[in-house]
Amino acid sequence: GEDVEQSLFLSVREGDSSVINCTYTDSSSTYLYWYKQEPGAGLQLLTYIFSNMDMKQDQRLTVLLNKKDKHLSLRIADTQTGDSAIYFCAESRGTYKYIFGTGTRLKVLA
Amino acid sequence: EPEVTQTPSHQVTQMGQEVILRCVPISNHLYFYWYRQILGQKVEFLVSFYNNEISEKSEIFDDQFSVERPDGSNFTLKIRSTKLEDSAMYFCASQGLWRDNGRGETQYFGPGTRLLVL
Repeated sequence: GEDVEQSLFLSVREGDSSVINCTYTDSSSTYLYWYKQEPGAGLQLLTYIFSNMDMKQDQRLTVLLNKKDKHLSLRIADTQTGDSAIYFCAESRGTYKYIFGTGTRLKVLA
Repeated sequence: EPEVTQTPSHQVTQMGQEVILRCVPISNHLYFYWYRQILGQKVEFLVSFYNNEISEKSEIFDDQFSVERPDGSNFTLKIRSTKLEDSAMYFCASQGLWRDNGRGETQYFGPGTRLLVL
């Protein structure tokens, strides 16, 4: 199938690390992305990783890619209340479309 | 920083009416997309457009939908006869050219148009 799967909810305490997981489907995907969506807002690109990489770090964000298991994760260090949002992973198939995951709602408790 | 813009931000229409959602992609981009997000659900691909024609479309993109790039800057999505289930947020996105070294451009999303069909 075409579904990109994510767990629906994650709750963490402020200052802790958050890990959001994603399982994608197409082993030929060249890029994988993480987007953030705040309530009522659009899609904000957070980071992306090329499929020949295992890890990418960008300030508080760390992306891990396990191609064998088609597993992608996003780690947010020192999670803040402003990080509360829905996080979508997406895989890129060629240049023509993104397939988005089901979204993980992150709630950060003060 | 260049950005994708969409108008209107909100649209309310009666079932059976035609709506046109407008997007202005980033000016040097070549690939254009429409996605939709039904409230509380995931973002779904509708259609991609390149070189003045549809590259790919999903099952959702039936005969009621059409896209057009009428003047080289705007990119529109038309729904001919809206249904209740067309109520959703519609996102436009654009992407530049894949570079020869394999570093592709990412898609840049507009802020969305929230469509409500009554």
